[in-house]
Amino acid sequence: KQEVTQIPAALSVPEGENLVLNCSFTDSAIYNLQWFRQDPGKGLTSLLLIQSSQREQTSGRLNASLDKSSGRSTLYIAASQPGDSATYLCAVDSGSARQLTFGSGTQLTVLP
Amino acid sequence: ETGVTQTPRHLVMGMTNKKSLKCEQHLGHNAMYWYKQSAKKPLELMFVYSLEERVENNSVPSRFSPECPNSSHLFLHLHTLQPEDSALYLCASSEKAKGLAVATGELFFGEGSRLTVL
Repeated sequence: KQEVTQIPAALSVPEGENLVLNCSFTDSAIYNLQWFRQDPGKGLTSLLLIQSSQREQTSGRLNASLDKSSGRSTLYIAASQPGDSATYLCAVDSGSARQLTFGSGTQLTVLP
Repeated sequence: ETGVTQTPRHLVMGMTNKKSLKCEQHLGHNAMYWYKQSAKKPLELMFVYSLEERVENNSVPSRFSPECPNSSHLFLHLHTLQPEDSALYLCASSEKAKGLAVATGELFFGEGSRLTVL
C-alpha cells in the first residue's frame, strides 16, 4: 500500500526566503506525482504535475523535482511572498487502483 | 462557469436528515471523484466515476450514496449520517484513459462542501 509523507508538517519563513518542501513515498512504481496548494476552507489548486518519466517541472517561482528511485519529490519556492502562505500537498498516482494517495500536507506561513 | 463547481458550500444537517451534495465540471473531463477531508488527516478517496461508471468504491458506508447521471455532474446523497462524518467533501475531475494501470491526468478540484452533522 502506497504511503505518502510530508515533512515538515508546518513551516514559517520570512518573506523573500527560498524554501523547499519535501514529499516521500514508499512505492516507487508511480505514474505521476502532483503538487497542490490549499487555502484555508477552500479546495485544492493544482500547481505542478510530474510524469514518472520526468525529473522536474517548473512554473513561475515554483520548481518540483522527482527522484523515483529514492521515493522523493521536492517543491522549491523561490523568493517567497506572504501570498504563498497555504497548505501544500503532494499526491502520488500509483498502483493497480490508479488512484491518488495524498500526504498530510505542509502548512507554510510566509511572514511579511 | 469554468472549472469544478460544488454546491452547497456549507451544509448543516441532523442525523435523521437526507441531503445531497452536487458537483458540476465544465472541463470536458471523463472522470469525477469524491474525496473526504477531515481535520489533521490526509484526503481520503471515496468514489471514482469514469465514463459515468463507478470504478472505485473505497469501502465507504452505505449512508453515502453517489450518483453520476452524466460526465459533467456528480452527486453525493447523504442520509442518517453520524457526527464523525462532519468534514470537507471535495469533488474533483480529470481526464482518464480507458483500461487498467493507466495514469490519471491532472486533477482539478472544486471549492468543497463543508458538512456539519449535529
